Amino acid sequence: AQTVTQSQPEMSVQEAETVTLSCTYDTSESDYYLFWYKQPPSRQMILVIRQEAYKQQNATENRFSVNFQKAAKSFSLKISDSQLGDAAMYFCAYKKLTGGGNKLTFGTGTQLKVEL
Amino acid sequence: GAGVSQSPSNKVTEKGKDVELRCDPISGHTALYWYRQRLGQGLEFLIYFQGNSAPDKSGLPSDRFSAERTGESVSTLTIQRTQQEDSAVYLCASSRVSNTEAFFGQGTRLTVV
Repeated sequence: AQTVTQSQPEMSVQEAETVTLSCTYDTSESDYYLFWYKQPPSRQMILVIRQEAYKQQNATENRFSVNFQKAAKSFSLKISDSQLGDAAMYFCAYKKLTGGGNKLTFGTGTQLKVEL
Repeated sequence: GAGVSQSPSNKVTEKGKDVELRCDPISGHTALYWYRQRLGQGLEFLIYFQGNSAPDKSGLPSDRFSAERTGESVSTLTIQRTQQEDSAVYLCASSRVSNTEAFFGQGTRLTVV
């Protein structure tokens, strides 16, 4: 079974600074997707960034980028120029490429606080 | 609709009562998922629908939990004889089969007292 581990329950960052959230996963599959979702107090899960395992290039979306290390099964999220609106719970998630019914397997989350 | 809609937003029920949670997926999305999120924890998969069939029910925690879906539209998650451990946020998501991104609703917060 696939598992996703987020070892940082809480992180803090100063506004305009950079922060990195860690995620490791375990799978026997060679092809899969990895995601970072943001959950603000409104509870709605918002997709931040997606990485296909067969792509060597790290995904980027504006201030958000990932460091995908397939051999190490590591998938960290870097947030640059942090803003107050980035404060939220962040979840790392895994999905099989085929089969598995598009089911997402989530980590336990990292609460990000952004300080002035 | 424009997004995934869930109702009610909050539900308080007495232990032993049955509850129904509703999810309206994005129009045209054939895949629908239910997840449970206990306080301070990540999301646990409950059930996946493709159209109105459920090829994966592996996450339903007990036979008190059931779900159905009408065509490629509304889904209801029913919890019978609720227990205090059922207290959680229940999140619904939908996606196109060919699209990997799942769009989530805002969830129903269920409190069993």
